[in-house]
Amino acid sequence: AQSVTQLDSQVPVFEEAPVELRCNYSSSVSVYLFWYVQYPNQGLQLLLKYLSGSTLVKGINGFEAEFNKSQTSFHLRKPSVHISDTAEYFCAVTASGGYQKVTFGIGTKLQVIP
Amino acid sequence: DAGVTQSPTHLIKTRGQHVTLRCSPISGHKSVSWYQQVLGQGPQFIFQYYEKEERGRGNFPDRFSARQFPNYSSELNVNALLLGDSALYLCASSLGPTEGETQYFGPGTRLLVL
Repeated sequence: AQSVTQLDSQVPVFEEAPVELRCNYSSSVSVYLFWYVQYPNQGLQLLLKYLSGSTLVKGINGFEAEFNKSQTSFHLRKPSVHISDTAEYFCAVTASGGYQKVTFGIGTKLQVIP
Repeated sequence: DAGVTQSPTHLIKTRGQHVTLRCSPISGHKSVSWYQQVLGQGPQFIFQYYEKEERGRGNFPDRFSARQFPNYSSELNVNALLLGDSALYLCASSLGPTEGETQYFGPGTRLLVL
């Protein structure tokens, strides 16, 4: 079984400042990793995913994440945030070799302060 | 192209009743998954269906059931509703069933059980 830990429940950051949202995972098999964003009263939208290859993954809206196998981490970063980035962000993992049973973290609320 | 659609958007039921939630995937998508998102938590996997067959089931009681129709739309049924079933129910679709595929989420059905 796999699990995901999002280390911060809330992250306040000033507009145009950089941000990092932390995510650690555990799994006994190879994994695929995802970051989703959820705006208020909406469904989830995929920001980026890591399947294999380059450990630095670039996504939409200027976000990127780095897969670190030795530290079992997949932290999300953005060099300069905007007010519109205020949302909840979910890290998720699914094990390779199975079906689409995605395990989500509890989410990190990003609050961008003007 | 239309995204994933879900109906109804909101629903209020009382304990012991049953409920049917509906999902229409993106055109051409053959895989549908269902998730439950309790307030303040990340989504939890309930079912995955592909080509009308159940591919995976999460840790939910037998009161939860689902099916997929020949047009790839899907229904989630919950019997004998409990207060704890109050949640946002999300449907996601993807082209195929494999774990690395991008899942596209609908806006969800918000269920309140009184």
